[in-house]
Amino acid sequence: EAQVTQNPRYLITVTGKKLTVTCSQNMNHEYMSWYRQDPGLGLRQIYYSMNVEVTDKGDVPEGYKVSRKEKRNFPLILESPSPNQTSLYFCASKWTRDTGELFFGEGSRLTVL
Amino acid sequence: QKEVEQNSGPLSVPEGAIASLNCTYSDRGSQSFFWYRQYSGKSPELIMSIYSNGDKEDGRFTAQLNKASQYVSLLIRDSQPSDSATYLCAVDYGQNFVFGPGTRLSVLP
Repeated sequence: EAQVTQNPRYLITVTGKKLTVTCSQNMNHEYMSWYRQDPGLGLRQIYYSMNVEVTDKGDVPEGYKVSRKEKRNFPLILESPSPNQTSLYFCASKWTRDTGELFFGEGSRLTVL
Repeated sequence: QKEVEQNSGPLSVPEGAIASLNCTYSDRGSQSFFWYRQYSGKSPELIMSIYSNGDKEDGRFTAQLNKASQYVSLLIRDSQPSDSATYLCAVDYGQNFVFGPGTRLSVLP
C-alpha cells in the first residue's frame, strides 16, 4: 500500500529535550515536505526537499532541522523544543517538485511542556 | 508573498443541498490547484485537482478554475452529513504547496 508513515503519532516532551519525528514514504517520490498546523493559522511549510541531499527552508523553519540522506526518509529534528512548537505536524510527499498531488502522513501531535 | 484565501466559515447547508466553497490566490505563476478535505485531527485527503480553466467534475464534486480572476471553487452536490469537514484549497508553486486557511463545512441532517 502506497503511504507516508510518520512516527511517533503522539508525543509529550519537555522543553529542551531533543526529539526526532521520522517520516518515510514507499512511493519513490522525489519531493518531500514538512508542515505544521495550528488553529487559525492553517498548514504552514517548515522545510522541503526536492531530492536526496537537497533541502530548503519553508515559511517557518526556525527551531527545526531536516536531512535527506535517502530518498524514502525525511526526518524532522527539534534540537531544543520549546512550548511554541506544540503543534500537529504532517509529512507529505509527491513525485517531483512540479508534478502531482501531495500525499500526507497521518500526522504527529507534539506537546512541549 | 504567495497567498491563498478562503472564507473560514462555518458554512452550514442542509442535507441534499449544494455547498459552494471559494478560494482566491495571489500569484499567477501556478498551473496546479487542489482541493483537500480534512476531518478534525486527521490528515488532509485529496478530493480534486484542476489544471486548466473551466470545470472538472468527479461524482458529486465539481471544481472550477478561472486563472484570469485567480479564483478556484468547489461545488458539492447532494451534500451529506459525512461531507462535514474543513476544505482546504491548495496552490502548487513548485517548491511550495501553499494552503488556504480552510473553510469549515457543516451539513445539517
